[in-house]
Amino acid sequence: AQKITQTQPGMFVQEKEAVTLDCTYDTSDPSYGLFWYKQPSSGEMIFLIYQGSYDQQNATEGRYSLNFQKARKSANLVISASQLGDSAMYFCAMREGSSGGSYIPTFGRGTSLIVHP
Amino acid sequence: NAGVTQTPKFQVLKTGQSMTLQCAQDMNHEYMSWYRQDPGMGLRLIHYSVGAGITDQGEVPNGYNVSRSTTEDFPLRLLSAAPSQTSVYFCASSPSGGPQETQYFGPGTRLLVL
Repeated sequence: AQKITQTQPGMFVQEKEAVTLDCTYDTSDPSYGLFWYKQPSSGEMIFLIYQGSYDQQNATEGRYSLNFQKARKSANLVISASQLGDSAMYFCAMREGSSGGSYIPTFGRGTSLIVHP
Repeated sequence: NAGVTQTPKFQVLKTGQSMTLQCAQDMNHEYMSWYRQDPGMGLRLIHYSVGAGITDQGEVPNGYNVSRSTTEDFPLRLLSAAPSQTSVYFCASSPSGGPQETQYFGPGTRLLVL
């Protein structure tokens, strides 16, 4: 079973509107981290936002916020006021504990976001 | 401060050839990892290292070897390239491998195996 599930292969949004990218995760580890990365067409991986499993409040970074629902094991990314430059692939990732003691990241398959003018 | 560097940027190999993808970081990070990215598959972990002299397998290790003789370098070796290894390869690092640590990614190496 996948540890990170992104059910939306592609999303379209009008410029200046908000968009939510879905991510659900599966872990039995009480201590884990959730991350979102952006990959524009140029190919680099850009870190956007982080949410810790013990954090009580949803993380925010500028126009990005993470809607963390721990009981549902979901960590959706919300982009407010979309811009043309937001067109990219978005990956949800989780870092959970391993038998060796380090925390191994696992990535979802990604969601392609296209912002229309 | 260069961050994470990868060489080469692009490589074409023939089936059966060997090569080494280079990865280096100048942030004194203990944790380093290699991923491959294929269309529709996200990033899949090949191998990772939690410090010099310590490596372990990830999700898709077959056909790849790694070693970590220094903190800075984490090369990925393809012993006998196969067309199935055509992919984009990313190296990443983080300070110590904790759950709250974001990873710093290199620019990627695009590999084509004919």
